[in-house]
Amino acid sequence: DTAVSQTPKYLVTQMGNDKSIKCEQNLGHDTMYWYKQDSKKFLKIMFSYNNKELIINETVPNRFSPKSPDKAHLNLHINSLELGDSAVYFCASTSDGAGNTEAFFGQGTRLTVV
Amino acid sequence: GEDVEQSLFLSVREGDSSVINCTYTDSSSTYLYWYKQEPGAGLQLLTYIFSNMDMKQDQRLTVLLNKKDKHLSLRIADTQTGDSAIYFCAESSGGSYIPTFGRGTSLIVHP
Repeated sequence: DTAVSQTPKYLVTQMGNDKSIKCEQNLGHDTMYWYKQDSKKFLKIMFSYNNKELIINETVPNRFSPKSPDKAHLNLHINSLELGDSAVYFCASTSDGAGNTEAFFGQGTRLTVV
Repeated sequence: GEDVEQSLFLSVREGDSSVINCTYTDSSSTYLYWYKQEPGAGLQLLTYIFSNMDMKQDQRLTVLLNKKDKHLSLRIADTQTGDSAIYFCAESSGGSYIPTFGRGTSLIVHP
């Protein structure tokens, strides 16, 4: 069983479209994240979310919004896609509380905006 | 500046040791991690070290932590071609457990 799964793996779309990427974790973790990895492999956090708090990286445009229907899912919605949104998006999860907070990652979604 | 910094590239010959370095700024960092990303895949945890330790060894991997200088290193002994990947340093602190990642070091192993 995959711990953190995200779909689709590849997404090609035109500028101006609205798209969603889904993420599910079956680890019982409390916190989920979205990271963006650009063409230079730089990994930057976009959001972290648990049932108590949404933390948004202030550099993320408000065209990006996380949606969590339940604790096991955190989907990423992107409105009015731009060329610069092309990147690989990774979902991840961690458990809450003190202690080692190993992050488990999905396989990534490669988004290409044309 | 960035919270976690690493050099971007390292090239080594197969069989040699590789040392990947990382510096961080948060003095309250509790855990420091090394993640590995193979092509087309997500990140996977390689090893981690708690901030009250200065060394951890796990088979071919040795992690050294200099807390005073906020410097973390990963040594891979007898580097193999299968070790070619991007290695990310990350830290999390007691105040926020959100892992913060460096830019990643691309390790290239050539015969």
